[in-house]
Amino acid sequence: DTAVSQTPKYLVTQMGNDKSIKCEQNLGHDTMYWYKQDSKKFLKIMFSYNNKELIINETVPNRFSPKSPDKAHLNLHINSLELGDSAVYFCASSQKRVTEAFFGQGTRLTVV
Amino acid sequence: SQQGEEDPQALSIQEGENATMNCSYKTSINNLQWYRQNSGRGLVHLILIRSNEREKHSGRLRVTLDTSKKSSSLLITASRAADTASYFCATFSGGNTGKLIFGQGTTLQVKP
Repeated sequence: DTAVSQTPKYLVTQMGNDKSIKCEQNLGHDTMYWYKQDSKKFLKIMFSYNNKELIINETVPNRFSPKSPDKAHLNLHINSLELGDSAVYFCASSQKRVTEAFFGQGTRLTVV
Repeated sequence: SQQGEEDPQALSIQEGENATMNCSYKTSINNLQWYRQNSGRGLVHLILIRSNEREKHSGRLRVTLDTSKKSSSLLITASRAADTASYFCATFSGGNTGKLIFGQGTTLQVKP
């Protein structure tokens, strides 16, 4: 069973479109995250949720809106996609906010 | 701001050799973690070392931590072609926010 799963794995879309990425974890963790990895492999945290409550919102454009319907799910919705949004987006979860994180396989988003 | 920075950025060795990667960080930490990322995959947690530990082993991995120098090293002994991946150190930004910050990573290539 996949611990942290994200869908889709690949997403190619045109500028201006709205898209969503879904994430689910079956580890029973309380905390979930979204990270963005750029072309140079730099990983930057975007959001963190703890028990459905937003904990971290890192100077991310408000075109990005996370939603956590329950503590096992954290989805990322992106409005009005721009070329610069092209990256790999990773979902992750952890048991507590200072322990190891478990990552999904990533969603490669390409905006054309 | 970036918390951990790895050195070297890229490393190429022959199978059987040891690989050493270094990480420096800026602020006080509770723990420091190392992750591996195979090409096109998500990050996998390798090892966590707490701030009161100086050295930790896991199989062929050895991690050291020097809090006075704010640095850590990851040693992979008797490397294998399957160890080819990017390796990242990560620390929490402080407090209990769960803001796990990654360095730029070291890309390791192990030639068979």
